[in-house]
Amino acid sequence: SQQGEEDPQALSIQEGENATMNCSYKTSINNLQWYRQNSGRGLVHLILIRSNEREKHSGRLRVTLDTSKKSSSLLITASRAADTASYFCATDHKVGKLIFGQGTTLQVKP
Amino acid sequence: DTAVSQTPKYLVTQMGNDKSIKCEQNLGHDTMYWYKQDSKKFLKIMFSYNNKELIINETVPNRFSPKSPDKAHLNLHINSLELGDSAVYFCASSQDLAGGIDEQFFGPGTRLTVL
Repeated sequence: SQQGEEDPQALSIQEGENATMNCSYKTSINNLQWYRQNSGRGLVHLILIRSNEREKHSGRLRVTLDTSKKSSSLLITASRAADTASYFCATDHKVGKLIFGQGTTLQVKP
Repeated sequence: DTAVSQTPKYLVTQMGNDKSIKCEQNLGHDTMYWYKQDSKKFLKIMFSYNNKELIINETVPNRFSPKSPDKAHLNLHINSLELGDSAVYFCASSQDLAGGIDEQFFGPGTRLTVL
């Protein structure tokens, strides 16, 4: 399966702490994206990192990509209760098709 | 204004029935998608259309028939519904396919329950 795998499946932290989620995939990619899904809602795009990039920042988000290890990580710094959601990585292995990981469910306790 | 909208939000129906889900995007995007998310939150692409042309059909049973009357709309018709069709169906859109996948904009989802 080309499906990505995310680790951990669930994460619970206190507000103010950092949260790190990891994603691994199996075949070569063009881009890797991270999405957030709040409970009962659609997915929202967070950040896209291209295969020739190693790190990218957006506000409190930091994404790294290691194509040699076929892995990526998403770091959320100074987490807030509003960051409580599921986070998915997605990779494009061929034109027109995104493969999503199984997601990490993050709970941030106030 | 909602960028990607779907109707209905909830759909409860009996096995064997036929139902449709509608999707519209007002972003001017060329590409639209249908995804299925199961109870374990596993999200899988079903179809993608680019300028009304089918690009991806992920071995979905032919009971599922997408229709794109224009590039702003992508509807999903499901015949002879089965229990296993119960899931949340998401519509999404992106600018185009050139150079790889752009970020996708998702609709709010349609929760389908087959009894």
